[in-house]
Amino acid sequence: SAVISQKPSRDICQRGTSLTIQCQVDSQVTMMFWYRQQPGQSLTLIATANQGSEATYESGFVIDKFPISRPNLTFSTLTVSNMSPEDSSIYLCSSRAGSTDTQYFGPGTRLTVL
Amino acid sequence: AQRVTQPEKLLSVFKGAPVELKCNYSYSGSPELFWYVQYSRQRLQLLLRHISRESIKGFTADLNKGETSFHLKKPFAQEEDSAMYYCALRADRGSTLGRLYFGRGTQLTVWP
Repeated sequence: SAVISQKPSRDICQRGTSLTIQCQVDSQVTMMFWYRQQPGQSLTLIATANQGSEATYESGFVIDKFPISRPNLTFSTLTVSNMSPEDSSIYLCSSRAGSTDTQYFGPGTRLTVL
Repeated sequence: AQRVTQPEKLLSVFKGAPVELKCNYSYSGSPELFWYVQYSRQRLQLLLRHISRESIKGFTADLNKGETSFHLKKPFAQEEDSAMYYCALRADRGSTLGRLYFGRGTQLTVWP
């Protein structure tokens, strides 16, 4: 299995500012994923981050708004840039690990933009 | 394009009653299907996957390729089953290889 931690667990931010969310995995993983879960909605994949290459973004998400870093096999960051109230959401980090290739999730970062 | 549909946003049953959470999918390849569960104040966790064909906490789910469904069932619901349940599909090919796509979730409430 994989244990995933995220920081911060929650934050309240002002419009126009940026927030960087950190994700740490307790084992080396190839693929890491970032999801968004807006209030009352399902999880939406933002991007896939592989170590040593640029992140791959899903339709509707762009690098300028959600820059991602993946400096090594256990760590990734997601930045939410130039925030607006519509960015208020839970952001989840995820990775695949183990012999069964199970996908595990972090506890999430609850972001509120005022 | 891949799509996962969970028609019921809310589902309530009494303890001991059977429960079925519906999931239908749309995908041109041979996807892998999962059920994830999120209990109150806990993180999202895997409940079961179709290739395992196992029962977890009394839940089972069978992949029906003809009906493109992967419904989650339990013959006798317990109060501790109350949670949000997400059906998910993992793509097996193309540019979306390896990505996991989720349905909107079904909030299950089991009354005593």
